[in-house]
Amino acid sequence: AQSVTQLGSHVSVSEGALVLLRCNYSSSVPPYLFWYVQYPNQGLQLLLKYTSAATLVKGINGFEAEFKKSETSFHLTKPSAHMSDAAEYFCAVSDGGGSNYKLTFGKGTLLTVNP
Amino acid sequence: NAGVTQTPKFQVLKTGQSMTLQCAQDMNHNSMYWYRQDPGMGLRLIYYSASEGTTDKGEVPNGYNVSRLNKREFSLRLESAAPSQTSVYFCATSPWGTYNEQFFGPGTRLTVL
Repeated sequence: AQSVTQLGSHVSVSEGALVLLRCNYSSSVPPYLFWYVQYPNQGLQLLLKYTSAATLVKGINGFEAEFKKSETSFHLTKPSAHMSDAAEYFCAVSDGGGSNYKLTFGKGTLLTVNP
Repeated sequence: NAGVTQTPKFQVLKTGQSMTLQCAQDMNHNSMYWYRQDPGMGLRLIYYSASEGTTDKGEVPNGYNVSRLNKREFSLRLESAAPSQTSVYFCATSPWGTYNEQFFGPGTRLTVL
């Protein structure tokens, strides 16, 4: 069974500061990993994904994440926070492609950006 | 190209009433999913449909039924709504062979009084 743990349900940073959102996973097979962002009153939007190619993955809006197998981690970072980054972020893991595989989501981290 | 659409956007029900949440996609994806989102709980899978004609239970299926009407449409039915079903419901779709990357609709906010 796969699972995802997001450390910190709420992270607060100042505008211009580094953003670091933590995600650890467990999976019995090589995982595929995703970060989604949810802006208020909207659905989830894919930020980036790891699918066993490069371990450093770049996504939209200046975000990136690094897959570290030894640490079973997939932390999300952005060098300089912007007010528009305020949202809830979800890490998710899949154990494969195909027609009937599922995503397992973490409980989410709410990012607040202070002026 | 609308992507994934959900109707209605908002709904208020009384305990015991029934309703159906509709989801439609024009992305030609094979798999479709229903989730509920509650504060502090993340997203929990209710039901999913790997392909037209098949449905399977997810993590929290009790109190719900689904119908995969055709490739485009996947509906979620509450037969007798309970206050515990107050939540935001999301439909998602996924094409085969893409590591299960999922595309989400805008959600339905349901309140059961």
